[in-house]
Formats: sequence, C-alpha cells, structure tokens
Amino acid sequence: GEDVEQSLFLSVREGDSSVINCTYTDSSSTYLYWYKQEPGAGLQLLTYIFSNMDMKQDQRLTVLLNKKDKHLSLRIADTQTGDSAIYFCAESTNTGNQFYFGTGTSLTVIP
Amino acid sequence: DAGVIQSPRHEVTEMGQEVTLRCKPISGHNSLFWYRQTMMRGLELLIYFNNNVPIDDSGMPEDRFSAKMPNASFSTLKIQPSEPRDSAVYFCASSLQGQRGEAFFGQGTRLTVV
Repeated sequence: GEDVEQSLFLSVREGDSSVINCTYTDSSSTYLYWYKQEPGAGLQLLTYIFSNMDMKQDQRLTVLLNKKDKHLSLRIADTQTGDSAIYFCAESTNTGNQFYFGTGTSLTVIP
Repeated sequence: DAGVIQSPRHEVTEMGQEVTLRCKPISGHNSLFWYRQTMMRGLELLIYFNNNVPIDDSGMPEDRFSAKMPNASFSTLKIQPSEPRDSAVYFCASSLQGQRGEAFFGQGTRLTVV
C-alpha cells in the first residue's frame, strides 16, 4: 500500500502557529486531506487540496503542497486550546476509491 | 442525512465470544470503509467495499475477522472468536466515488475484549 508519514506529537503555546507535516509516496494522488479527531470522536474533514494546487487558505488554516517532494503541511494560525486534537493527513488516488491515512499527529496546545 | 451511523458505541465482551459491529453509511454513498484505531498502530484500513462488493480486504488481520455488505445501506464487521488484542476503536466511513470523494466517518465503536 501507499505510505503516508507524519510525526506523532506536536506541542505549541496558545497563540502561536502550529505546523503539522506529512509526506506521502504516491505521485498519482488526486486529493489530499486533513482530518481532525477530537477525543472520543470520529474523524472529521478539516480541509482538502486538489493535487494541482500549491496552496489553499481557509480562515486560520493554510495548506501547502509540494508535489515534487510529496510533502503536505497544515498551518494553524493563532492556535487555540480547542485546536488540541489528532490531525490526520490522507490521500486518495486515481487507481481506485482508496484512502490512505497517516498515523496522525497529536497536537497539544499549552495555555 | 444523519451521517454514518455505527452501533454499538461501546462493546465489552469476553475472550472467545463473537462480536458484530454494525454500520449504516450515508445514503447515496457507494464506498464503505472499515478502519481500526489503536495507540500502537494508529489508524489501519481493514477492508473497503465499492458498490457493496469487497475490493480490498488485505488489511483484515486474520480469518477471525469477516465483513459483509448485503446492501447499500448496511455493513457488518464480525470477529469470531474475539481476543484481547482486538480491543480498539473501530470506525466505519463512507464516500461517494467520482466526486471530491472525502470519507465521512462514524463515531466509532470502542471494543474491549477481556
């Protein structure tokens, strides 16, 4: 299967920016996604980017895609305690309706 | 739509018992996924269906696990016999192939095998 890699943990202070990174291996990825999982809940789609885009901004969220390096990042500006959660990077490909998820990055926001 | 509905939300069972997890996907979605989440291994894809047909079951751990999708609105994941190492949160997700295709997740079933 495809590999989607993320670091496991990230801690930031409230008000700072958070940057969560992800690398993937499949060059035929169509869409790349960021999902958020709050404690005790399922995963919810946070944002996505089409593979022919470099950047997408949505309020406090900025997604950057470096297709050459197969690197995706999620920047959260002015991080709040409510942003504490696990963030999953995922990709879907043209080869089938298959999603490949990273292991998730646990973001802890320190007040 | 109420979203992806999973039942039960919590299940505690004794080792050796049969466990059946249930999922109702979002109406109109044609792909359904079963995932397992543990602290040690993160989120793992177990199996996915497209138009009720199993497409990839390579993630199913062993023969004790089986999944069915008898129609477009219902799927089950069965573990028989269950073992303590099966304890995890099991998620069902559905998506509509051909669109943007993001997966919508249920709330999960927390399974504890004692």
